[in-house]
Amino acid sequence: AQKITQTQPGMFVQEKEAVTLDCTYDTSDPSYGLFWYKQPSSGEMIFLIYQGSYDQQNATEGRYSLNFQKARKSANLVISASQLGDSAMYFCATGPYSGSARQLTFGSGTQLTVLP
Amino acid sequence: EAQVTQNPRYLITVTGKKLTVTCSQNMNHEYMSWYRQDPGLGLRQIYYSMNVEVTDKGDVPEGYKVSRKEKRNFPLILESPSPNQTSLYFCASILSGKSTDTQYFGPGTRLTVL
Repeated sequence: AQKITQTQPGMFVQEKEAVTLDCTYDTSDPSYGLFWYKQPSSGEMIFLIYQGSYDQQNATEGRYSLNFQKARKSANLVISASQLGDSAMYFCATGPYSGSARQLTFGSGTQLTVLP
Repeated sequence: EAQVTQNPRYLITVTGKKLTVTCSQNMNHEYMSWYRQDPGLGLRQIYYSMNVEVTDKGDVPEGYKVSRKEKRNFPLILESPSPNQTSLYFCASILSGKSTDTQYFGPGTRLTVL
């Protein structure tokens, strides 16, 4: 069984600053994947970034990077140069097989507000 | 355009009145699933389907049924809805990749059971 913990229900960041959203995970699977999704106020789920448990380097996608610390079981999302459009709910999730988005376990989410 | 569609998008119903939320994808994906989203709990998987006629329970299947008679459709059935099934429901399908899957979510169905 997997578990995701997001300890920050809400976060505020000033526009153009960087922000880190925390995610810790617990899994007994030897191979697993970590995902981050964004949910704007309109409600749709938008995939942001993925990290496999065997990946040596931290994943990056544009302004998003995933700070993966395997020993600490953390997979924090870093958003650089925040924009007003980044205001949204952010979910961390894990799946039982590296690369697989099947049977994901999600965290409770972090509501990010970007201030002008 | 590749997409997952859900209908209805909003539904208010009463306890015990059977309802079906439809989900359809036009990408020929084999894997589809249903999630519910509740405040403070994130998304939780209800059921998933690996292919036509192959379905299995997720983490919170009680009170729900699904069927997969065609590859493109994966309806969610609430035979006797109760107020604790008031939630935001997402259907999703997955494109299996060489190294990473790509998950496509539907727009969501907001269900209120009175």
